Amino acid sequence: QSVLTQPPSASGTPGQRVTISCSGSSSNIGSSYVYWYQQLPGTAPKLLIYRNNQRPSGVADRFSGSKSGTSASLAISGLRSEDEADYYCATWDDSLSGPVFGGGTKLTVL
Amino acid sequence: EVQLVQSGAEVKKPGESLKISCKGSGYSFTSYWIGWVRQMPGKGLEWMGIIYPGDSDTRYSPSFQGQVTISADKSISTAYLQWSSLKASDTAMYYCARGGITLKWPFDIWGQGTMVTVSS
Repeated sequence: QSVLTQPPSASGTPGQRVTISCSGSSSNIGSSYVYWYQQLPGTAPKLLIYRNNQRPSGVADRFSGSKSGTSASLAISGLRSEDEADYYCATWDDSLSGPVFGGGTKLTVL
Repeated sequence: EVQLVQSGAEVKKPGESLKISCKGSGYSFTSYWIGWVRQMPGKGLEWMGIIYPGDSDTRYSPSFQGQVTISADKSISTAYLQWSSLKASDTAMYYCARGGITLKWPFDIWGQGTMVTVSS
């Protein structure tokens, strides 16, 4: 049981916009920045969004993040086949004194 | 280029010991925290612990405290994760990841992962 709650799966067709939600509590999302990681099949996680809505250099502007209260979401617009991956939200948890991850959402591009 | 390179895959028997490594390059290794993350087969990411190579300050997730030992040798820019007695349930992919400077988080650069298989 992960501290942060994500839907286990999401899907969309090429060109569509999909969103992935992440729900937490006041001790984690409610008091810290949210980060999103993309894990392509067979590879290490890659930082996709930092500080709620910032994109590292090289990340397409099709990816965007937002946060409100104790929830956050990742939006992917103009869906492409190469976006098929697992997506994880993450943040710092004050109770744990460490980072916590969501359970991951497997995105399928139909 | 900033990178973390991990040691290769391991196959061990229950009860054996193991130490895997993570070598940093392209940045000041002693200035950034290094974390370890477990990913069991088909499962999500779990934070195990974190170390500051500059002074070896180490923190563990309660779930992993006493189960593993995290260390670092700053002279060779390498962090380690070790087990004294492996169990079949330790079978997983293990990632090291670079944390922050003043803050331990977030993890921005990840190693390629080390697959550990424990089987009799």
